[in-house]
Amino acid sequence: GDSVTQTEGLVTLTEGLPVMLNCTYQTAYSTFLFWYVQHLNEAPKLLLKSSTDNKRTEHQGFHATLHKSSSSFHLQKSSAQLSDSALYYCAPMPNYNVLYFGSGTKLTVEP
Amino acid sequence: DPKIIQKPKYLVAVTGSEKILICEQYLGHNAMYWYRQSAKKPLEFMFSYSYQKLMDNQTASSRFQPQSSKKNHLDLQITALKPDDSATYFCASSTREWPSAETLYFGSGTRLTVL
Repeated sequence: GDSVTQTEGLVTLTEGLPVMLNCTYQTAYSTFLFWYVQHLNEAPKLLLKSSTDNKRTEHQGFHATLHKSSSSFHLQKSSAQLSDSALYYCAPMPNYNVLYFGSGTKLTVEP
Repeated sequence: DPKIIQKPKYLVAVTGSEKILICEQYLGHNAMYWYRQSAKKPLEFMFSYSYQKLMDNQTASSRFQPQSSKKNHLDLQITALKPDDSATYFCASSTREWPSAETLYFGSGTRLTVL
């Protein structure tokens, strides 16, 4: 939705290169930030979440740091793997009610 | 074993007909949701329920009606189906414990095709 902006469309990387998927959000939606991942023909599932400013959050080799000063929550990984190919959603939660997903970024990792 | 069961997995319907998408969760969660995913729009929030009460509705059309007969059930009735309704419909749930960052757990989805 309009509350979040992600890296547009499709990102294609070669295996072993670093991953960075951008996510910026509207300040009003900064209570919690999430990254969800959806592999082909599967349901979305949580990858990372954070509510603490300037604290790095890590899971399954991915990490992100919430920066409220710049309204950003970029997703990073030092070395892409073929299995990282998926659709990635950044999602802010403005209150304890609804999770709004961004447009999604499709990551394709090639050999 | 899947903890959120959606039925059917695939559904084909004709324009103008009515269908019900089933969702049951066995995670002990108090909040349930419906999201829709299509080629035109990625994961789009539709409804949220908490303790069987409607909390939020972002679906413009009244053709979409959630139904919660039990705390762990949230079905989705769709009437007067249109080809544009073709999408994968995901049911999700969360703990709804205040305050917490509510992680959503998704079902495997029902892929609806309207001819």
